[in-house]
Amino acid sequence: DIQMTQSPSSLSASVGDRVTITCRASQSIRNYLNWYQQKPGKAPELLIHAASSLQSGVPSSFRGSGSGTDFTLTISSLQPADFATYYCQQTYSPPWTFGQGTKVEIK
Amino acid sequence: QITLKESGPTLVKPTQTLTLTCTFSGFSLNTSGVGVGWIRQPPGKALEWLGIIYSNDDKRYSPSLQRRLTITKDISKNQVVLTITNMDPVDTATYYCARIPVAAPIYGGARWFDPWGQGTLVTVSS
Repeated sequence: DIQMTQSPSSLSASVGDRVTITCRASQSIRNYLNWYQQKPGKAPELLIHAASSLQSGVPSSFRGSGSGTDFTLTISSLQPADFATYYCQQTYSPPWTFGQGTKVEIK
Repeated sequence: QITLKESGPTLVKPTQTLTLTCTFSGFSLNTSGVGVGWIRQPPGKALEWLGIIYSNDDKRYSPSLQRRLTITKDISKNQVVLTITNMDPVDTATYYCARIPVAAPIYGGARWFDPWGQGTLVTVSS
């Protein structure tokens, strides 16, 4: 299985802050990397697919980058609605593993 | 509008078989390249990929659960069914189904889940 490692596991930030979450794959996954946002009690929602493509309707403050084994999700200016848990996922080969999640909390 | 909804028992006993149904609308599993996947999330924990089924009936299962998992589809009913045998308390989780859109060449064949169902919490307890 391809292991996905996110860092940090959690972070505290203020509204307006720039936030960066990283995801590392245990082997090259090309650009087969997705980012999801999950709020408490809700299903995950797709933010970024294919490493850097913004899903329709997602604010442009979200940006995905990377290829191969190292990927980044950046939120350029954190908004109140952005406090949530973020997961990366590889779909290069089954099982399509997820990272352990990064919880973004209010500072 | 594409929607998916999971249904099934909320409580099962250890050793029993769990059967969950994902009923969807707004797309068809008759469309080449489309798929549906199952994902679960134990309380307070991370997402775990269970398996996927495509329109051509190609299936992939989590290696750790493969012996216990079965995913089938009923195109006429717009449903995908997940079956897990020999349930254990560690299988207590919210179970989600999600659509896998057709792979677009511009993305090099990358796949993703979108949208997801609301999820259903299944508790395994005697």
